[in-house]
Amino acid sequence: TQLLEQSPQFLSIQEGENLTVYCNSSSVFSSLQWYRQEPGEGPVLLVTVVTGGEVKKLKRLTFQFGDARKDSSLHITAAQPGDTGLYLCAGEGTGTASKLTFGTGTRLQVTL
Amino acid sequence: NAGVTQTPKFRVLKTGQSMTLLCAQDMNHEYMYWYRQDPGMGLRLIHYSVGEGTTAKGEVPDGYNVSRLKKQNFLLGLESAAPSQTSVYFCASRTGRGTLGRPQHFGDGTRLSIL
Repeated sequence: TQLLEQSPQFLSIQEGENLTVYCNSSSVFSSLQWYRQEPGEGPVLLVTVVTGGEVKKLKRLTFQFGDARKDSSLHITAAQPGDTGLYLCAGEGTGTASKLTFGTGTRLQVTL
Repeated sequence: NAGVTQTPKFRVLKTGQSMTLLCAQDMNHEYMYWYRQDPGMGLRLIHYSVGEGTTAKGEVPDGYNVSRLKKQNFLLGLESAAPSQTSVYFCASRTGRGTLGRPQHFGDGTRLSIL
């Protein structure tokens, strides 16, 4: 069973602060996806990283895939209240059906 | 532009009762998945399907059955509900075509409580 450990589990910060969320595994994944989930809704994809060492930026969010394709990080610059939510990393397996293994999630709260 | 629709949104059952959760997608996706989400545990895969008429077990399949008689629908059944099955259930779909990294599209979940 592939496991994805996500840290921290909870994060409460003030508007304007920076933060980093980590997603680590001992397994290699063919891609690493980051989702955000709002209360009462399903997860929505933010970004997918495929190549080891890949860095993708989405406005104030920077995503990085580790060189060995086992870990990833999400960095948010100058957090805003609208960034509040549950952030989930998910590793895509190499077999059929493109199954995802989800991390345990990071619940972020950004206050004014 | 419905995407993935789950019904019902909420349900309370007594131990031993049975029920079926329905998932419908209008994106012509080949792959469909059922997950459960529990506090501090992320989403865990229950069952999945790579096409009409095919299903397979995921990480936590015990106590659940599924069927995919039509491409657009994926049903999750609980034959004899247990309190341990209290959870939020999510259905997702994904295209089977193209390269890796395609997103899974999720419904808004079914909140199920077993008393």
